[in-house]
Amino acid sequence: QKEVEQNSGPLSVPEGAIASLNCTYSDRGSQSFFWYRQYSGKSPELIMFIYSNGDKEDGRFTAQLNKASQYVSLLIRDSQPSDSATYLCAVNPHNTNAGKSTFGDGTTLTVKP
Amino acid sequence: GAGVSQSPSNKVTEKGKDVELRCDPISGHTALYWYRQRLGQGLEFLIYFQGNSAPDKSGLPSDRFSAERTGESVSTLTIQRTQQEDSAVYLCASSLGGLDEAFFGQGTRLTVV
Repeated sequence: QKEVEQNSGPLSVPEGAIASLNCTYSDRGSQSFFWYRQYSGKSPELIMFIYSNGDKEDGRFTAQLNKASQYVSLLIRDSQPSDSATYLCAVNPHNTNAGKSTFGDGTTLTVKP
Repeated sequence: GAGVSQSPSNKVTEKGKDVELRCDPISGHTALYWYRQRLGQGLEFLIYFQGNSAPDKSGLPSDRFSAERTGESVSTLTIQRTQQEDSAVYLCASSLGGLDEAFFGQGTRLTVV
């Protein structure tokens, strides 16, 4: 079992819809959770991070964390074609060293106009 | 510089040759990370430098891999006697340390033929 699991997709949603990306992790001691967006051929860029159970909203993005279920998700509201990318979930076992995380393999999202 | 700079952007090498990849972090960033990303997969942590502390080498896959960093400046990742399975994109990231966001370079695409 991988430490961080994501559905590889592709996930396809129409423009304007809500895209829901899911991630589960195996280390119950994990403390911090990150979502990165990676356009094809480009490097990852951080879009959200969350440390506490519940929801965290930033513009069209909402991260949801449930530590009891070892589950973190990313919702993208009003999806745009420019959101089409691979989304990487990253999990960090400590509340330090944000760059040293365990990454999932990513979910590819396609937003169709 | 304005961002993390990596060179070369592309490298094709023959099996058995040594290669050296370079990373120039954002000025003032004390933390530097190397990751490997194989096609269609997530990021695989390789090594982490924090200031003048001993580096965390826990992710290096074999003794063919080594990395150096002098102070808070440039880092080089060296792969000796390259194998075809070393073909991947090698990403470098830097951060201020702690929970601060890690910024990624554009990566070096290594192809071993």
